[in-house]
Amino acid sequence: DQQVKQNSPSLSVQEGRISILNCDYTNSMFDYFLWYKKYPAEGPTFLISISSIKDKNEDGRFTVFLNKSAKHLSLHIVPSQPGDSAVYFCAASGQIGSGNTGKLIFGQGTTLQVKP
Amino acid sequence: DGGITQSPKYLFRKEGQNVTLSCEQNLNHDAMYWYRQDPGQGLRLIYYSQIVNDFQKGDIAEGYSVSREKKESFPLTVTSAQKNPTAFYLCASQKRGEGNQPQHFGDGTRLSIL
Repeated sequence: DQQVKQNSPSLSVQEGRISILNCDYTNSMFDYFLWYKKYPAEGPTFLISISSIKDKNEDGRFTVFLNKSAKHLSLHIVPSQPGDSAVYFCAASGQIGSGNTGKLIFGQGTTLQVKP
Repeated sequence: DGGITQSPKYLFRKEGQNVTLSCEQNLNHDAMYWYRQDPGQGLRLIYYSQIVNDFQKGDIAEGYSVSREKKESFPLTVTSAQKNPTAFYLCASQKRGEGNQPQHFGDGTRLSIL
């Protein structure tokens, strides 16, 4: 039973255009969501996060949108650059105060290719 | 520089052999985690530790063991009981106690069976 799903294994966009990566979750107790970027043979690098009390968080070219009613989040990269080509993972965790341990549940990842 | 160091980067195991993967962090983080990544899949949690001398099983703990004797170190042993150990292993750490915090990862160890 996969609680966090990234249904698109891959995405290809042209340099300068917008990249939109999607993620769906099933557990309504998740209240903290993150996006990580991963290059081959390296560990994931934290990109951006959002708390469930917000619906948008922006950091430079990266924006994460959260739709709690749809249990859906997305990562927008504008403008896309060739260096953005990597695997992107979304992850979710429950509220720390509820006794949750801070464990992250990861999606399967989406491979983004940005073509020059 | 602060960070998480995993060693070795590549490791080979013979059948029936136990091997230990090292993870060290100098970020003064309380929590540490071990994940396994298989091709085309996300990261799956093996073990985690929120404080020294305490650790908990994750979703796929069978065939693995850990220790947390020091805050900075969280080694993972892949035992001979783990029947499919070939994977990319990632260690992460996290600051606790100040609301939601991201986990930060090392660069991983790739384990292969000879």
